[in-house]
Amino acid sequence: AQTVTQSQPEMSVQEAETVTLSCTYDTSESNYYLFWYKQPPSRQMILVIRQEAYKQQNATENRFSVNFQKAAKSFSLKISDSQLGDTAMYFCAFFLPYGGSQGNLIFGKGTKLSVKP
Amino acid sequence: KAGVTQTPRYLIKTRGQQVTLSCSPISGHRSVSWYQQTPGQGLQFLFEYFSETQRNKGNFPGRFSGRQFSNSRSEMNVSTLELGDSALYLCASSFSDRVAYNEQFFGPGTRLTVL
Repeated sequence: AQTVTQSQPEMSVQEAETVTLSCTYDTSESNYYLFWYKQPPSRQMILVIRQEAYKQQNATENRFSVNFQKAAKSFSLKISDSQLGDTAMYFCAFFLPYGGSQGNLIFGKGTKLSVKP
Repeated sequence: KAGVTQTPRYLIKTRGQQVTLSCSPISGHRSVSWYQQTPGQGLQFLFEYFSETQRNKGNFPGRFSGRQFSNSRSEMNVSTLELGDSALYLCASSFSDRVAYNEQFFGPGTRLTVL
């Protein structure tokens, strides 16, 4: 079974600074997807960034980038130039695209990020 | 395109009652997944429907059931409610029609409180 662990329940960062959220996962599979989702206080979950396991290049979306270390089963999210609107719960998630796992995102427990002015 | 909508947004029930939650996916999306979110257990997968068929199911008791209609709208039902069923229930839709990843778009959720 796949598991996702986020070891930082809460973090805070000053506006305009950089913060890194950690995520580790466990799987014996080689083909999978990893995601970071953001859930602002309004509760709508939004996809921030995704990484395909077969791609060595780390994904980047504007101020958001990941450090994907497949051998170490580590998938951290770096937020540069933090903004007040980045305040949210961040969830790391794992997806296996076969084997009857359709639709099943496996989430970590989340990291509550507060961006302070 | 309109996003994923869920109704009702808030619901209060008492133990032993049953409840039905509704999810309307993004137009054209055929897959609907349901998740339960609680402070203690986090986000847990309930089930996924595609073209009116349950394609995958999480580890929840049989009191939790769902269905999908021909227009892809989905409902989930919880019978004989327990206090522990209090949670935010999230629905997500995707285009998915094969074994691959299609981005899941989440609705705002239904907050269920069981008294």
